[in-house]
Amino acid sequence: DAKTTQPNSMESNEEEPVHLPCNHSTISGTDYIHWYRQLPSQGPEYVIHGLTSNVNNRMASLAIAEDRKSSTLILHRATLRDAAVYYCILRDVQGGSEKLVFGKGTKLTVNP
Amino acid sequence: NAGVTQTPKFQVLKTGQSMTLQCAQDMNHEYMSWYRQDPGMGLRLIHYSVGAGITDQGEVPNGYNVSRSTTEDFPLRLLSAAPSQTSVYFCASKQIYMNTEAFFGQGTRLTVV
Repeated sequence: DAKTTQPNSMESNEEEPVHLPCNHSTISGTDYIHWYRQLPSQGPEYVIHGLTSNVNNRMASLAIAEDRKSSTLILHRATLRDAAVYYCILRDVQGGSEKLVFGKGTKLTVNP
Repeated sequence: NAGVTQTPKFQVLKTGQSMTLQCAQDMNHEYMSWYRQDPGMGLRLIHYSVGAGITDQGEVPNGYNVSRSTTEDFPLRLLSAAPSQTSVYFCASKQIYMNTEAFFGQGTRLTVV
């Protein structure tokens, strides 16, 4: 299974940008990078995904390194509602099957 | 549009009892999966299915059984509950082989005493 590595925790101040890093040195050429977040007492929710190019949506931006061995989720202006655990995962598709394997994620604390 | 529905939300079992955690989705998704989440931990994949009649094991399948007789439902069975199975369980679904988002249920909090 492809693996990702994230810091256990990060802290930010409200209305400041947040950069959440993820290393995925064993990524294959066809693996997409997906980000999910889990708010307290809820199931995970999708944030963004990408393959090679940087991606933007209403929630966040995803910056992918040129060698694809790392990526960064960018929250442009953190709010208190963004306090959550953020998961970086690689969608594993092989042998006619598909798996989404999560790690421990990064717990983001947002200070008022 | 209900999305992914898990029942029950909470359950207390005695060691050795059996039960089934229900998961249903109304989005016609081929892919469904079960995860468990222990305190301070990420999600660990238990079993997954890429379509009706097809299931496979994830990272931590021991002690759990699954079946997929319909596209909509993916129940998780605990045949003989153990305290080590105390956890929060999440069910997820998505379109198969597509880079689309997975949808998660709200979770079932299971305590085995």
